[in-house]
Amino acid sequence: EPEVTQTPSHQVTQMGQEVILRCVPISNHLYFYWYRQILGQKVEFLVSFYNNEISEKSEIFDDQFSVERPDGSNFTLKIRSTKLEDSAMYFCASSDLTGGGSPLHFGNGTRLTVT
Amino acid sequence: EDQVTQSPEALRLQEGESSSLNCSYTVSGLRGLFWYRQDPGKGPEFLFTLYSAGEEKEKERLKATLTKKESFLHITAPKPEDSATYLCAVQGNFNKFYFGSGTKLNVKP
Repeated sequence: EPEVTQTPSHQVTQMGQEVILRCVPISNHLYFYWYRQILGQKVEFLVSFYNNEISEKSEIFDDQFSVERPDGSNFTLKIRSTKLEDSAMYFCASSDLTGGGSPLHFGNGTRLTVT
Repeated sequence: EDQVTQSPEALRLQEGESSSLNCSYTVSGLRGLFWYRQDPGKGPEFLFTLYSAGEEKEKERLKATLTKKESFLHITAPKPEDSATYLCAVQGNFNKFYFGSGTKLNVKP
């Protein structure tokens, strides 16, 4: 069964450094998302991406964050200058959006630890 | 404001002891209600989509139902391998999915 893959599985970085989290969505999917989950808390929406542009973003997704689809398969989340509070699991998800109401399919996440 | 509330936060069951998890929601224009299972350190795994009140879906020991205000995930004769956190999410008029905080299920042998 096709799956969403994320790399790396764990990233440790120092405060103020830039990180890039990578995702390969399911190949025939059209909508791509980043979510995050701070330990013990809800899965929170960051951004959705469709047709090579951001379609929606949350208040969390400020100027420190950016997303890119550099080629036909990868989808990346960049955090320019990491803060301690960015420590969380970051999940990439994709959906095929056939008529709306299509489920999100998630990767297994990247655990980001900012020290 | 679109919102999802799940209860209970945690549930401990003996193997074979059936129970239900609740997901209450308020959303503008429901496009779908989704149930996921999440194991520790993993991403949410899709279980079911429900689109309209009265709809039911089943998979092994799990059955999901939907009304206009809430959804239930019924677990019949659970086994220890059903232990996980169960997440509910709704999709409204826009493409954003709103997640509840989840119910952490622990099934003891």
